Amino acid sequence: ETGVTQTPRHLVMGMTNKKSLKCEQHLGHNAMYWYKQSAKKPLELMFVYNFKEQTENNSVPSRFSPECPNSSHLFLHLHTLQPEDSALYLCASSQEEGTRGGNTQYFGPGTRLTVL
Amino acid sequence: AQKVTQAQTEISVVEKEDVTLDCVYETRDTTYYLFWYKQPPSGELVFLIRRNSFDEQNEISGRYSWNFQKSTSSFNFTITASQVVDSAVYFCAPFSGGYNKLIFGAGTRLAVHP
Repeated sequence: ETGVTQTPRHLVMGMTNKKSLKCEQHLGHNAMYWYKQSAKKPLELMFVYNFKEQTENNSVPSRFSPECPNSSHLFLHLHTLQPEDSALYLCASSQEEGTRGGNTQYFGPGTRLTVL
Repeated sequence: AQKVTQAQTEISVVEKEDVTLDCVYETRDTTYYLFWYKQPPSGELVFLIRRNSFDEQNEISGRYSWNFQKSTSSFNFTITASQVVDSAVYFCAPFSGGYNKLIFGAGTRLAVHP
């Protein structure tokens, strides 16, 4: 089975909608990440969870709300988004967070989000 | 400060040509890891290689090879005999111990034409 899966692959939503992105990893990892990739910026780290505890919030607006119920699942709840939030949202996992980079991050296929 | 530079925005080659993608990582860290990822049109970031800053030996894996020179802060990636399937965006991503995160370069878009 594919290591890191994400659903949905594509999502179109209005600014008043509420939606959620789902990520699941089948690699037995303990750290999970959300990244945002927009057209005009480098890949941006949004959130990090290590052993289900949030360890990083990279100044992300509160309209993005992450949830990590266990080490295998990660959600990104979306509400009242803006058109500039349209981007590719990528999930990744690694054995653990940090440890000076010795842990490789493996990425899912991403969710292409369009906010109208 | 940590800074990763991929100066080549786009490269276009004809199939079977060799191509080298450049990456420069400026840091005061003495120990770090360097990663290369490939992003095909499907969007998924595919892990290619991880190297430790202590290890400056070049590495070859099939048609891929990596040249890391700590003295010049460069970690370059060469594809030998390129193929159309190599067309993708390639990201150099050092891990910053100071920030405890991967720092992605802007990426180099490689187009391999038949």
